[in-house]
This record gives sequence, structure tokens and C-alpha cells, in this order.
Amino acid sequence: GDSVTQMEGPVTLSEEAFLTINCTYTATGYPSLFWYVQYPGEGLQLLLKATKADDKGSNKGFEATYRKETTSFHLEKGSVQVSDSAVYFCALSDHDSGNTPLVFGKGTRLSVIA
Amino acid sequence: DGGITQSPKYLFRKEGQNVTLSCEQNLNHDAMYWYRQDPGQGLRLIYYSQIVNDFQKGDIAEGYSVSREKKESFPLTVTSAQKNPTAFYLCASTPRWRMNTEAFFGQGTRLTVV
Repeated sequence: GDSVTQMEGPVTLSEEAFLTINCTYTATGYPSLFWYVQYPGEGLQLLLKATKADDKGSNKGFEATYRKETTSFHLEKGSVQVSDSAVYFCALSDHDSGNTPLVFGKGTRLSVIA
Repeated sequence: DGGITQSPKYLFRKEGQNVTLSCEQNLNHDAMYWYRQDPGQGLRLIYYSQIVNDFQKGDIAEGYSVSREKKESFPLTVTSAQKNPTAFYLCASTPRWRMNTEAFFGQGTRLTVV
């Protein structure tokens, strides 16, 4: 079945550092890819998305590019802030596969210190 | 504003008791989902519903039950058969079943066995 693998955390960075959270996927169809963010005690919010190969999703300074050749969707931000501290989930949506269409990675906890 | 509302935010269950978690959406979405979140485990799918009066088991359905009598409502019952119910429960929805689109999440219900 479809799956998403993301780097394990926790990741601790100083303010203004560069962030990369790796995400790779396996899918039998042609999925859409997403990054969600979860702040403490809350539900998940969509951070960015990409629906086809070479698309770049971006929001709030975060970026990720849909790389079909490497089946990857790595999340990056050039300069993190303390307010970016949260858990980040990579996910895919693949109705074509016939499997459960929404698949999430295990999440990566990011802590940014001042 | 449209969205998903989960209630209550916190719920305490005694041993052997059934409890029901509410999930209501006013987004006019066809598909709805229940996930369980445990520390370090990411999101695990409990049940999902493609359309009114239809639902399927997810990866960890044992000890849970659902109903989908109305498009906007998808309540989850945690039964006494669920031996380890303490967790954070998230409800989500997507516009249509056969669409690779992002999911919208509620704020979650934290269930604790006392």
C-alpha cells in the first residue's frame, strides 16, 4: 500500500537557522502531496501542497517541491522562528490506488530556541 | 465560517464505560475520517465514511464504532472493548471521495481513562 516516511525528530534549531525535514513516499497512483502543521493541543492545519510533479508549494516562508523522480517532498524554510515550533506531518492523497486515500507520516517535532 | 467542530475538547472515561465523541462539519464535504494520535505514532485511521449511510473500517477499528446518518455528522463511540483508549482523537473531512485534495481537521478531543 501507499506510505509516507519522514525524518524522525525531534529537531532542535536556533532562531534564524535553516530547516529541512525530509519526506519520501511510495504510491501506486499519482498522488497529491501535503505538509500539515500541528501546534500544541490543536488539530492539523494545511501548510502547503503540490498536486503534480515539479510543483512547488509555499506558505509562510516554507517551501516543498514535488519530485517524482526521487519520490520526495522535502520541507524547507530559510530562517525559522520560535513560533514555528510545532509537529510537521507529510501526507499524500491517492484515490487512484484503491487503498485508503489519505496517508500520513509519523510527524517530526520541531523546537526552535531563541 | 465553515469548518469542523469536535466536542468535547477534553473527555474523561471510567473503566467499562462507552463514550461518544462528536464531529460536525458545515463544509458540505462528502467524506469524513476519524484518526487516533498517540505520542510518537503519528495518525492512525480508525474509520472513514465516503458518503452518508456508508462507512468502512480503518487500520485500528477494534473497540470503536461510528455512524453516518447525516452528511454533516460523524460521531465516534469508544466502547468498553477498547482496552487502551487514552489518546488524542482527530476528525477530518474532504470534499469528495475520489479527489486528491487536502483534508480539513477539527481541533481534536483528548480522551483520558480515569
